[in-house]
Amino acid sequence: AQTVTQSQPEMSVQEAETVTLSCTYDTSESDYYLFWYKQPPSRQMILVIRQEAYKQQNATENRFSVNFQKAAKSFSLKISDSQLGDAAMYFCVFFSLLDGTASKLTFGTGTRLQVTL
Amino acid sequence: GAVVSQHPSRVICKSGTSVKIECRSLDFQATTMFWYRQFPKQSLMLMATSNEGSKATYEQGVEKDKFLINHASLTLSTLTVTSAHPEDSSFYICSARDIAGYNEQFFGPGTRLTVL
Repeated sequence: AQTVTQSQPEMSVQEAETVTLSCTYDTSESDYYLFWYKQPPSRQMILVIRQEAYKQQNATENRFSVNFQKAAKSFSLKISDSQLGDAAMYFCVFFSLLDGTASKLTFGTGTRLQVTL
Repeated sequence: GAVVSQHPSRVICKSGTSVKIECRSLDFQATTMFWYRQFPKQSLMLMATSNEGSKATYEQGVEKDKFLINHASLTLSTLTVTSAHPEDSSFYICSARDIAGYNEQFFGPGTRLTVL
């Protein structure tokens, strides 16, 4: 079974600064996806960024980028130029297609990000 | 983008009553939907996988007779909490996987259930 570990329960960053959220995972599979989801106070889950394991290039989405280290099974999220709207709970999520359409997401425990002025 | 709705967004009920929560994929078809439960300040806990036209698959420890799931069409799954008790109070989230591609799940906005 896969596991996802987020070792930082809470993080804080000043507006306009950069913050990195950590995530490690454990799997025996070679083909999988990794996601970062954001859950703001509204509780709506929002996809921030996605990384396919077969791609060596790190994914980027505007101010969000990842550092994907497949051998180390590490998948960190970097948020640049942090904004007040980035304050949320961030979940690192693992997904593989091993079980086809029944394949499930495996969630980390989450990191609560505070953005201060 | 793909949109998933949930209804109701909030529900308050008396202990012993049953509550039905609907999850709809608005602009895509979903053969598979997922139901999660989330306690305050915690991660999402998968309760069950809902498959269109067949029985749901429940995670270990989830009472299938308490949490009835019906996935009657490619756009609708329902979760019924039967004989609800205060300990069932929680935030329930559904997600749906597009039939056309199964590498992403789209989440509903969630339902806050309070059992008095």
